[in-house]
Amino acid sequence: EAEVAQSPRYKITEKSQAVAFWCDPISGHATLYWYRQILGQGPELLVQFQDESVVDDSQLPKDRFSAERLKGVDSTLKIQPAELGDSAMYLCASSQTGTEQFFGPGTRLTVL
Amino acid sequence: GENVEQHPSTLSVQEGDSAVIKCTYSDSASNYFPWYKQELGKGPQLIIDIRSNVGEKKDQRIAVTLNKTAKHFSLHITETQPEDSAVYFCAASKGGAQKLVFGQGTRLTINP
Repeated sequence: EAEVAQSPRYKITEKSQAVAFWCDPISGHATLYWYRQILGQGPELLVQFQDESVVDDSQLPKDRFSAERLKGVDSTLKIQPAELGDSAMYLCASSQTGTEQFFGPGTRLTVL
Repeated sequence: GENVEQHPSTLSVQEGDSAVIKCTYSDSASNYFPWYKQELGKGPQLIIDIRSNVGEKKDQRIAVTLNKTAKHFSLHITETQPEDSAVYFCAASKGGAQKLVFGQGTRLTINP
């Protein structure tokens, strides 16, 4: 069964450092999402791609976060510099139909 | 924007009994309502979904009901088993690649 891949699974960093997360969506899925999930809460959308284009980044803190999907396949989310409040699970999801979204295992970020 | 409220936040039931989780949404334009199951350290897994043109949908022990007039939908799990223990999230979207807005989650514990 096809799955969304994410790496790393866990990342510990110190504040002010740069971190990057990688996502490989299910093959053929044109829509890719990055969500942030704070412990004890539901996921919240950070950025959405349709192929290589950003269609929604209204909740992305653009002063420190950036995301790209250069060839319309895999994607990278970067934080620079990381802050204590960025500690969370970062989830990638993909969709073929634009409706059903399938999530990867996530990257657990801890900022010290 | 859309707001999704979910309750209860925790639910404990005896094995074999039924569990019901309820959600309300605010945006009448929402037309797609998925439910996700999230186990510890994993990403959310889509377990069932319903669209606004359907009032009820069932898949084995899991069912979802939707009341568009009242703007609420519910997840019903019958004959609960220990492996049903997890955090469950409801979500809503306007479909067509629109973002999912999640509820706060319900921690379901099945007691043997």
